[in-house]
Amino acid sequence: NAGVMQNPRHLVRRRGQEARLRCSPMKGHSHVYWYRQLPEEGLKFMVYLQKENIIDESGMPKERFSAEFPKEGPSILRIQQVVRGDSAAYFCASSPPGSSGANVLTFGAGSRLTVL
Amino acid sequence: EDQVTQSPEALRLQEGESSSLNCSYTVSGLRGLFWYRQDPGKGPEFLFTLYSAGEEKEKERLKATLTKKESFLHITAPKPEDSATYLCAVQAPRGSTLGRLYFGRGTQLTVWP
Repeated sequence: NAGVMQNPRHLVRRRGQEARLRCSPMKGHSHVYWYRQLPEEGLKFMVYLQKENIIDESGMPKERFSAEFPKEGPSILRIQQVVRGDSAAYFCASSPPGSSGANVLTFGAGSRLTVL
Repeated sequence: EDQVTQSPEALRLQEGESSSLNCSYTVSGLRGLFWYRQDPGKGPEFLFTLYSAGEEKEKERLKATLTKKESFLHITAPKPEDSATYLCAVQAPRGSTLGRLYFGRGTQLTVWP
């Protein structure tokens, strides 16, 4: 019974490149959340998705960032034209359908992005 | 505007030396306050949820309490394996995404033998 799987665990990109982070939710979970943890800061909500739908993207930067959760396959957080300020740990969390949300969030181990 | 403030930022305890971590919050209409444990290189691991002032929950050496303005995580007779960063988070106000949490910066706890 695998938990929330994130890959890659570590990613190094040069400024201007693209970063793609993947998240496979726990089996049976259909709600996915992405959080970002900048150095010396707390985790901050970015986006909430259900299968094929973005429900709440109010925490996501307006430019260069996008997220999707297709009918088949993992959720993907995409960062275009990365800058040094994007260096952070990106965490994915999932919850089952019909849940009350935060009460049953399970977090993955995170993807650590370093922008050179 | 910070909604969750944790103190101290770092805490070093000798094994067996009990102490408390503090989490103060400013969100109105609290729907839930959460405590997580985070080990280096890992994601947050759920510990407790508290919903109303006066509520308490316990798990092994940990006990979480809640008042109208803050929460405490009491650690009784800690062991080195309790060393971790402890995160506090509050659920977004009514009308917002249920799974949206506002996290504090955490308290890094080190317990030495």
